[in-house]
Amino acid sequence: EAGVAQSPRYKIIEKRQSVAFWCNPISGHATLYWYQQILGQGPKLLIQFQNNGVVDDSQLPKDRFSAERLKGVDSTLKIQPAKLEDSAVYLCASSSGLAGGRGELFFGEGSRLTVL
Amino acid sequence: GESVGLHLPTLSVQEGDNSIINCAYSNSASDYFIWYKQESGKGPQFIIDIRSNMDKRQGQRVTVLLNKTVKHLSLQIAATQPGDSAVYFCAENVSGYSTLTFGKGTMLLVSP
Repeated sequence: EAGVAQSPRYKIIEKRQSVAFWCNPISGHATLYWYQQILGQGPKLLIQFQNNGVVDDSQLPKDRFSAERLKGVDSTLKIQPAKLEDSAVYLCASSSGLAGGRGELFFGEGSRLTVL
Repeated sequence: GESVGLHLPTLSVQEGDNSIINCAYSNSASDYFIWYKQESGKGPQFIIDIRSNMDKRQGQRVTVLLNKTVKHLSLQIAATQPGDSAVYFCAENVSGYSTLTFGKGTMLLVSP
């Protein structure tokens, strides 16, 4: 079974530029998550989708971050404009049900963003 | 021994020793907990979970203990191997809420 795919793996941009990350979850997984992981810290949830609807985006900085999952499968996370403090690894995860935070989340390898 | 680094507490053990990684959680309403392992350059990987109606749960070479009185859980790894070297995170969840909140993590270093 293929895992969660993310791209690009690495991205370096200057502040105020924009960047987009793509995620393809495990086939059939209804729930998709984007997490931000700053170096030395645990992942922090940015947004959770159930199919193509948003379940939780309370921690998403909506003035600069946006995410979509239009067809309930792939998802993109965009940052515009980027700030220095956005330097982090952006992890995508999926699970088979609503989960409610329960059960196993399958994570991709992440997209490492460096903002100069 | 256990030490606090710049960002992550670090536990250094010898191959074959048993390892104990501790986690203090903050929310007394949390009733579900998961341990994840994260190797360098990879995403977190599920290890084991436990619900608050249990004090102990065992997996293959791993045991999770939960003490709700002091809001503490631990992950015990038996016969630690070099391949166990990674950062370990505990995560907590409150019933009815979708958010899984991760702790700061502990780095486990296993010497051959």
